[in-house]
Amino acid sequence: DAGVTQSPTHLIKTRGQQVTLRCSPKSGHDTVSWYQQALGQGPQFIFQYYEEEERQRGNFPDRFSGHQFPNYSSELNVNALLLGDSALYLCASSPPVTSGELFFGEGSRLTVL
Amino acid sequence: AQSVTQLDSHVSVSEGTPVLLRCNYSSSYSPSLFWYVQHPNKGLQLLLKYTSAATLVKGINGFEAEFKKSETSFHLTKPSAHMSDAAEYFCVVSSYNNNDMRFGAGTRLTVKP
Repeated sequence: DAGVTQSPTHLIKTRGQQVTLRCSPKSGHDTVSWYQQALGQGPQFIFQYYEEEERQRGNFPDRFSGHQFPNYSSELNVNALLLGDSALYLCASSPPVTSGELFFGEGSRLTVL
Repeated sequence: AQSVTQLDSHVSVSEGTPVLLRCNYSSSYSPSLFWYVQHPNKGLQLLLKYTSAATLVKGINGFEAEFKKSETSFHLTKPSAHMSDAAEYFCVVSSYNNNDMRFGAGTRLTVKP
């Protein structure tokens, strides 16, 4: 049973560009959350998707957007990249009935030059 | 809004000695609390969780945590450290509906031989 998979694992962009990160949740999971983890910090909640809609959002600007597909996979899009967007982006999934445990992928490391 | 504070950014212990990683929380609701571990270049893994059942929670790899409402604390302990315990540890509090998980800044555990 594959866990949460994310792609790409590493990527380099320049300021002003746009990036799309992808996530496939663990089998049987229908909810996907995205987190940003800057170097030396804890993950910060970006948003959560359920039933193809954004259910909750953290304190991130509108440059950060997402999408969830009918097969529960998800994308994170970041427009007009800033140097400060350099971070590890983590995707986490959870099942329909949850006690709160999240299952994390290994992340996509974005470097903005 | 809920939040957690991890009181130590770095803890260093010798192999075979006890581990104590400290976490204080703030929550408007009866919280759900978690400890996650992150090994280098790996995704986060759940160690244990508290969801208003027993206040002493046992997790994987010999870790335990005790929920103390009077002290708003959820400290992580292990009687005897192993080299493989070296990693980053995150204390997490979730909202009442588990849609928004708030991570602490993390504690880096170093285990000396």
